[in-house]
Amino acid sequence: EAGVTQFPSHSVIEKGQTVTLRCDPISGHDNLYWYRRVMGKEIKFLLHFVKESKQDESGMPNNRFLAERTGGTYSTLKVQPAELEDSGVYFCASSQVGGGRATYEQYFGPGTRLTVT
Amino acid sequence: EDQVTQSPEALRLQEGESSSLNCSYTVSGLRGLFWYRQDPGKGPEFLFTLYSAGEEKEKERLKATLTKKESFLHITAPKPEDSATYLCAVQEGIYYGNNRLAFGKGNQVVVIP
Repeated sequence: EAGVTQFPSHSVIEKGQTVTLRCDPISGHDNLYWYRRVMGKEIKFLLHFVKESKQDESGMPNNRFLAERTGGTYSTLKVQPAELEDSGVYFCASSQVGGGRATYEQYFGPGTRLTVT
Repeated sequence: EDQVTQSPEALRLQEGESSSLNCSYTVSGLRGLFWYRQDPGKGPEFLFTLYSAGEEKEKERLKATLTKKESFLHITAPKPEDSATYLCAVQEGIYYGNNRLAFGKGNQVVVIP
């Protein structure tokens, strides 16, 4: 079974430019998450999709970040315009749907390292 | 807000020298505590989920335990291939819609042959 895949693995852009990151979750996983790790800090939650709907976007830093998941399959995260502080590693994760209090482990992709210069 | 603190930040072990990693947390209503392993340049790899105090889980040389305030990851007779950063994360909430994980900064473990 293929794991979570992310593209590109590394992106270097200039301040003010636009970048789009892509995530393909594990097949059959309705839950898709975006996280980010900036240098020296812990991994932090950005948002959570259930199928194509945004379930929780409380971690999105500002309106320069736009996440989409059309059709409930892959997801994109666009940063426009990029700022220096957006540099970091962006991880995508996916999990099965849980019922009631049940929770399922999240499987992570390899990440996209974004460098804004 | 959730808070997860891991200690020690970094640990060097001789091969075969057992040790424990600590993850202390403050959360209003723990739904699950997760341990992940992360190798350089890769994403976190799932290891364990613990749900309630007193629960234990094992996998090869790793054993995770949970109390009401902290979790331990015990590494028994480690080998060089156990070198990695170990991440602890908690999930809170009394309803299943809130799935976000709150991570600690990690325990960086180096096992010397």
